[in-house]
Amino acid sequence: KQEVTQIPAALSVPEGENLVLNCSFTDSAIYNLQWFRQDPGKGLTSLLLIQSSQREQTSGRLNASLDKSSGRSTLYIAASQPGDSATYLCAVCGRTSGTYKYIFGTGTRLKVLA
Amino acid sequence: DAGVIQSPRHEVTEMGQEVTLRCKPISGHNSLFWYRQTMMRGLELLIYFNNNVPIDDSGMPEDRFSAKMPNASFSTLKIQPSEPRDSAVYFCASSLTAYGYTFGSGTRLTVV
Repeated sequence: KQEVTQIPAALSVPEGENLVLNCSFTDSAIYNLQWFRQDPGKGLTSLLLIQSSQREQTSGRLNASLDKSSGRSTLYIAASQPGDSATYLCAVCGRTSGTYKYIFGTGTRLKVLA
Repeated sequence: DAGVIQSPRHEVTEMGQEVTLRCKPISGHNSLFWYRQTMMRGLELLIYFNNNVPIDDSGMPEDRFSAKMPNASFSTLKIQPSEPRDSAVYFCASSLTAYGYTFGSGTRLTVV
């Protein structure tokens, strides 16, 4: 059974810092991995998706890496801003009975201080 | 496209009452997922459908929970009878392939 763990659970940093969020998963037979952002009281917004054959993906100040063999992914946020404050969720995708389903980590609550 | 639409956005009900949550997936998507989010347990997959057929309901916590997808554009999650521990945010998501889900805005359920 796939289990996804995110460390740290919460993080508070001053504005401008570069930071790394970690995600680990127990079953390396994944199809892809996705990072989501969730603002308080809101739904989930997809940030980056990495296919199992890829090593990393970049979007603006965000860079996500994937090491499938070791069961790890990181989300790197450069030059953090107060607007980056949110919960960041990692989700790994496996295939069952012809359907792709995601298993989520418990998230990292990020607060960027102005 | 309006995205995945969930209703109601908020629901407050008394213990023992029946609750029905609704979801309209994105047109053309063939998979639909129901998740529950709590502070203690995070996002839990309850059940998912592929081409309107339930594939895996092992995440449904109890027999009090049931889900249906009568057609490709509508799904319901029903709790009968509801209990205070069912209070959570319930999300619906849909997808066409493994290229990510689209989530609805969620239904915040409070059972008093």
